Amino acid sequence: DTGVSQDPRHKITKRGQNVTFRCDPISEHNRLYWYRQTLGQGPEFLTYFQNEAQLEKSRLLSDRFSAERPKGSFSTLEIQRTEQGDSAMYLCASSLADLEKFYKYGYTFGSGTRLTVV
Amino acid sequence: TQLLEQSPQFLSIQEGENLTVYCNSSSVFSSLQWYRQEPGEGPVLLVTVVTGGEVKKLKRLTFQFGDARKDSSLHITAAQPGDTGLYLCAGEALGGYQKVTFGIGTKLQVIP
Repeated sequence: DTGVSQDPRHKITKRGQNVTFRCDPISEHNRLYWYRQTLGQGPEFLTYFQNEAQLEKSRLLSDRFSAERPKGSFSTLEIQRTEQGDSAMYLCASSLADLEKFYKYGYTFGSGTRLTVV
Repeated sequence: TQLLEQSPQFLSIQEGENLTVYCNSSSVFSSLQWYRQEPGEGPVLLVTVVTGGEVKKLKRLTFQFGDARKDSSLHITAAQPGDTGLYLCAGEALGGYQKVTFGIGTKLQVIP
């Protein structure tokens, strides 16, 4: 397994366009998280899945944002009608549900998708 | 929302110096993790502390969890240029099921 993969690495889009990002977690990890990070800030939680179930969504995630994890494997994050304020690094992470392993290995993050809305 | 405050936000030191980074909150955490992030990459776990008062060492890095499980510190001895990066603390809420809240980070630069 090559770790958590995110695609694309960079995306430049015009305001008002829709964008979709993909995350492929480590195959045996059943938890998947999406975070957003802006310059000079730590990652902010957006949403997370256990297998295919979306268990929690942050209030940061407006109606324009939707995330899916069909079949509990890869996940997609879609932003509709992008705004300049959506410009950020979108990070995906995965982890094992086993608490002991989570404490030992933590989240495994992908390299992120950097979104620029112009 | 549990807020984690990190200080200092920026630190520039000479190689060989010692430093301490602090992570504070008014909330109690089940566990607290420290991550290091390099530009253009995702954070990488350094350590998890779980028990109040716990001290963990990772080579030249020493991590401490406060007795009340509300705060933590990271001490680096004899810093090296390879230690340069963004250090993030992340707290797992009580009953948080592994969902963590990150601090703003401490950006460390070690000058050769």
